[in-house]
Amino acid sequence: DAKTTQPNSMESNEEEPVHLPCNHSTISGTDYIHWYRQLPSQGPEYVIHGLTSNVNNRMASLAIAEDRKSSTLILHRATLRDAAVYYCILSVDTGNQFYFGTGTSLTVIP
Amino acid sequence: NAGVTQTPKFQVLKTGQSMTLQCAQDMNHEYMSWYRQDPGMGLRLIHYSVGAGITDQGEVPNGYNVSRSTTEDFPLRLLSAAPSQTSVYFCASSTGQKNSPLHFGNGTRLTVT
Repeated sequence: DAKTTQPNSMESNEEEPVHLPCNHSTISGTDYIHWYRQLPSQGPEYVIHGLTSNVNNRMASLAIAEDRKSSTLILHRATLRDAAVYYCILSVDTGNQFYFGTGTSLTVIP
Repeated sequence: NAGVTQTPKFQVLKTGQSMTLQCAQDMNHEYMSWYRQDPGMGLRLIHYSVGAGITDQGEVPNGYNVSRSTTEDFPLRLLSAAPSQTSVYFCASSTGQKNSPLHFGNGTRLTVT
């Protein structure tokens, strides 16, 4: 299974930007990088995905390293509602297998 | 548009009992999958399906059976429940393309005593 490495936990102050790192050194050329988040007592929800170029959407930005061996999810202005576990995963093979690690637990401090 | 619907939300079983966790999606997605999440851990893939009539094993398939007779439904069966199967179960679906996101249900919390 395709492995990603994330810090177990991070903290951020409310209304400040948050940079959540992910290492995926074994990524292959056609693997997409996906990010999901899981709020307490809920199922994971999609945040963003990308292949090579940086991506932006209404929730976050995804910065992908030039060698694609790492990526960073950027929350531009953390709110209390952003406190969640964030998962970085790779979409591999035919896209049918998503393997989740333990993710990064983000705490937002008021 | 309901998305991915899981039933029941909660279930308590005794060891050795059987049950089926239901999952239905109304997005015409070809790909569906089941995950379990144990306390303080990430999600682990149990089984997945790339279309009606096709299923395959994930990381932790032992003790679980699946079938996919329609595009919409992907039930997960526990034939003889064990305490080690106490967990929260999530169903997810997608188009199956690598750049397509997974859509998750709200989960079923199962306790086996």
